[in-house]
Amino acid sequence: DAGVIQSPRHEVTEMGQEVTLRCKPISGHDYLFWYRQTMMRGLELLIYFNNNVPIDDSGMPEDRFSAKMPNASFSTLKIQPSEPRDSAVYFCASGLAGAGNTIYFGEGSWLTVV
Amino acid sequence: GQQLNQSPQSMFIQEGEDVSMNCTSSSIFNTWLWYKQDPGEGPVLLIALYKAGELTSNGRLTAQFGITRKDSFLNISASIPSDVGIYFCAGHVPSNTGKLIFGQGTTLQVKP
Repeated sequence: DAGVIQSPRHEVTEMGQEVTLRCKPISGHDYLFWYRQTMMRGLELLIYFNNNVPIDDSGMPEDRFSAKMPNASFSTLKIQPSEPRDSAVYFCASGLAGAGNTIYFGEGSWLTVV
Repeated sequence: GQQLNQSPQSMFIQEGEDVSMNCTSSSIFNTWLWYKQDPGEGPVLLIALYKAGELTSNGRLTAQFGITRKDSFLNISASIPSDVGIYFCAGHVPSNTGKLIFGQGTTLQVKP
């Protein structure tokens, strides 16, 4: 079975450009999470969705960040405009309610803003 | 907000040695999960714990859900070089369905 699929795997962009990260959760999962990982701050939860509805976006750093989940099989995390301090690994994860609350991670999108 | 304190932050051990790491919290958690992250990859689930006192093994790994529901430990027996990576504990917040809080991670290095 396919796991969580993220794209792109790596992106290098210039400051001020728009960045869009994409995620396809595991089929049938009803929770989707976006995490950011840095050396300084570790794994931070940015936002999560349940049944395509954003439940908690308190971790989104600022208005430059936005996330959408138009359907059960796709989500995007957008940064506009990007800044060098946004450089990090962005992970998408999905889970299924009632399945022990375990979540499964994608391989991450490695973002470098120069 | 809820926080998990994971220790130690890093470990450098000899192959064959046993390893122990733990997580504590000031809050109660419903679920404790342990993940391992290899370089360049996403975290992979190792063990999930669902009730206080539960002791679960997965090969050379053993984890326990503390009786107070505020702590958990992970033991690795007879370490091997492929155990190298970052180990994360994670706890599920009772009051916020779906939200998983992660510890800071324990970086493990194994010397052959």
